[in-house]
This record gives sequence, C-alpha cells and structure tokens, in this order.
Amino acid sequence: GQSLEQPSEVTAVEGAIVQINCTYQTSGFYGLSWYQQHDGGAPTFLSYNALDGLEETGRFSSFLSRSDSYGYLLLQELQMKDSASYFCAVRDRGGNKLTFGTGTQLKVEL
Amino acid sequence: DTAVSQTPKYLVTQMGNDKSIKCEQNLGHDTMYWYKQDSKKFLKIMFSYNNKELIINETVPNRFSPKSPDKAHLNLHINSLELGDSAVYFCASSRGGGKETQYFGPGTRLLVL
Repeated sequence: GQSLEQPSEVTAVEGAIVQINCTYQTSGFYGLSWYQQHDGGAPTFLSYNALDGLEETGRFSSFLSRSDSYGYLLLQELQMKDSASYFCAVRDRGGNKLTFGTGTQLKVEL
Repeated sequence: DTAVSQTPKYLVTQMGNDKSIKCEQNLGHDTMYWYKQDSKKFLKIMFSYNNKELIINETVPNRFSPKSPDKAHLNLHINSLELGDSAVYFCASSRGGGKETQYFGPGTRLLVL
C-alpha cells in the first residue's frame, strides 16, 4: 500500500517563500504529483516529478528525492490567492492510480 | 467549455434513498475516475475506468456502482444511502497510459440526512 505524510497546516506572509514537505512509503513508485485545492473548489494539477531533482513552473517548484522517499513543493513570492490546500500524490507502477496525501492547508497572511 | 462536468452540484437526501451522480468529460481522455473527499479533506480513489472498462476498484461498499456507457461518461449510482456517505464526490479524467495529469470536475456535495 501507499502512505504519504504532509504537515497539516502552514502559515506564511505575503511575498515570502514557503516549502511544503511530503514523505511517502509505497509498494511501488512511478512519480510524485502536487495538486492545489481552494476551499469549495476542485483539485487542480500543479506539477509532477518522476525523476530526482527540481521542476520549476513559474512561482512554483517541486523537488523529488526517490532515495529518501521525499519531495517538496516550493511556493515563491506568495500571494493571498495561494491560500489553499496542497496535496502530494503518489502514482504507483500499476498504472493510473493516484494515492493522495492528507493535504497541507496553506494560509497566506498580510 | 467545461472540461469535466458533474451533475448535480449539490445533493441532499434521506438515509436509505438511492441516488446517481453523472460525469462527462470533453477532453477526449481514455480514463475516468471517482474520488471521495471526506470532511477532513482526505481524497481517496474509489473507481477508475479505461475505455469503458473497470481498472481500479478500491475497497468500496457494493452499494456504490459505477457505470461507463462510453469513454466520455462515468456515472456513480449509490443504493441505500447512509449517513457516512456524506462527502464531496469528484469525477476526474486523464489520458491514461502513463499520462500523469488528472483533471477534476467541480464536485458533487452529497449530504445524507
């Protein structure tokens, strides 16, 4: 089976940088994804890492270390609209199944 | 045009009733999913279909029955609704076959009284 751990809540100020960590235990690993979900909204895809290293997409970057079963999402130049829940998700080798972490509630303050 | 749509958006019903939720995607994807998100925001896969064929069937009570009439549609029928079924149900789709991104519908908020 799969299990993923994330901090439940992170608070940061506008303009700052925040890192949301994710550690996972899996029976098979294909890649690590990150999704954003605003209150009342649907999860939306942010990034995906299949290989070790950093992937950058605008203000968001995601990092993966497969040997450490660890990844993180880095959000730079935080804006109020970044207040949302962030989920890491592991894709198993079997195919299309995504197992989601428990989610991190990010609060951006002035 | 909405990529993944679900109906209804809200569903309030009594315990013991039977209800259905419909999902449609216009992205041309081969794979569709049903997820359940509980009050603690835990998001869990329930079912997945690839080209109308069931490929993922998690440990879900058999009161829940998915149906895929074609690869653009995936419906979820729930029999004998229970209080614990109250949750947000999300439909999602992806290209499948190794493509990672899943696109989620807006969700159906089910409240069982």
